Amino acid sequence: DSGVTQTPKHLITATGQRVTLRCSPRSGDLSVYWYQQSLDQGLQFLIQYYNGEERAKGNILERFSAQQFPDLHSELNLSSLELGDSALYFCASSALGQGFEDTQYFGPGTRLTVL
Amino acid sequence: GEDVEQSLFLSVREGDSSVINCTYTDSSSTYLYWYKQEPGAGLQLLTYIFSNMDMKQDQRLTVLLNKKDKHLSLRIADTQTGDSAIYFCAETLPGGSYIPTFGRGTSLIVHP
Repeated sequence: DSGVTQTPKHLITATGQRVTLRCSPRSGDLSVYWYQQSLDQGLQFLIQYYNGEERAKGNILERFSAQQFPDLHSELNLSSLELGDSALYFCASSALGQGFEDTQYFGPGTRLTVL
Repeated sequence: GEDVEQSLFLSVREGDSSVINCTYTDSSSTYLYWYKQEPGAGLQLLTYIFSNMDMKQDQRLTVLLNKKDKHLSLRIADTQTGDSAIYFCAETLPGGSYIPTFGRGTSLIVHP
């Protein structure tokens, strides 16, 4: 158990809908990362927050947004969902949010299925 | 550019050694990592190596880095059925955001 929790575990929805994925980082970690894992794209970095502020942006679509709240939990919002958005979405947390030795701890993921 | 490549599958017999290979394209990579993903779980950092090192050993795991060929390998000695998982190679680049770039992952299947 990494200490990172994600809810829900599974989500099934229809095209055009909007969903919210939630992540609670490990106790004491200030930084949260979101990743998308799909069969065709592999593991893609979406976005990073540190202490409530956006720190780095990856391959995140404009239809997707995220935020980190004062209690450090984070939410990833996916809107106007398409079939191709079906994937595993991972959240990871780290203590510092920078530095090569700042280990990221991954949550178990949320499996999103868009029908 | 950034690109990390791995073979997709590896099958070994229990008790044998496993060697999982990875190639990367960016010669300025500073840290290289190996992560393990068990079924239904997130990624777990196994080990990492700094690019000025050639080798790192940690119990049954040995990481070898060949900077000239941009080749990284993970050797698992005395492979057990519990080692069956997907193994990801990743690199981070200096001067950036410290976000690792991941390979597609190698599925290791260990037969009894």
